[in-house]
Amino acid sequence: EVQLVESGGGLVKPGGSLRLSCAASGFTFSSYSMNWVRQAPGKGLEWVSSISSSSSYIYYADSVKGRFTISRDNAKNSLYLQMNSLRAEDTAVYYCARNLDSSGWYFFGYWGQGTLVTVSS
Amino acid sequence: EIVMTQSPATLSVSPGERATLSCRASQSVSSNLAWYQQKPGQAPRLLIYGASTRATGIPARFNGSGSGTEFTLTISSLQSEDFAVYYCQQYNNWPLTFGGGTKVEIK
Repeated sequence: EVQLVESGGGLVKPGGSLRLSCAASGFTFSSYSMNWVRQAPGKGLEWVSSISSSSSYIYYADSVKGRFTISRDNAKNSLYLQMNSLRAEDTAVYYCARNLDSSGWYFFGYWGQGTLVTVSS
Repeated sequence: EIVMTQSPATLSVSPGERATLSCRASQSVSSNLAWYQQKPGQAPRLLIYGASTRATGIPARFNGSGSGTEFTLTISSLQSEDFAVYYCQQYNNWPLTFGGGTKVEIK
């Protein structure tokens, strides 16, 4: 069974940093591209960042480019999101999501339960 | 950036009735369109990809259609567990973008 478990969320002051982690199990992690998607309270879904299976290709939403860094450790079956210079508008539940398959198309077949990041003074 | 527009924002439907949800892209995304269902307090669930292919385990009452810029998700006979928010997502171009969602509520 595919499992994705996020951690690292919490309360942080504007301008602060946070590192999210996603522990993956139940599949060959190194074979799949991975993603972060967020959802502000009461709002819709917003794609944040994606990383290919070997980290060769990395993509960011303009809203986080230059502030967030996605990475992965295939030996540890883990995905990360380093978030710097956090703003109030970054407040959201952050979901780790796996591409459905290895086709190269980035849509999300598996999701974690999410971790809440709150940016507030 | 491709803007995805979903309509209506809210759809009130009685159980057993058909629901038709629309998703429009600001430019062609070919058939690279996915639909997700999200219930309160839960992560989204993939329903449809490739505009019309049901994901594993998704009931046959969920049908996706369309290509280019116009897409439709039809739920043929709404069950109680189908009342939720539905999102479309294009994956034809970067950045990936979602529609604003359609909430399907009980009439």
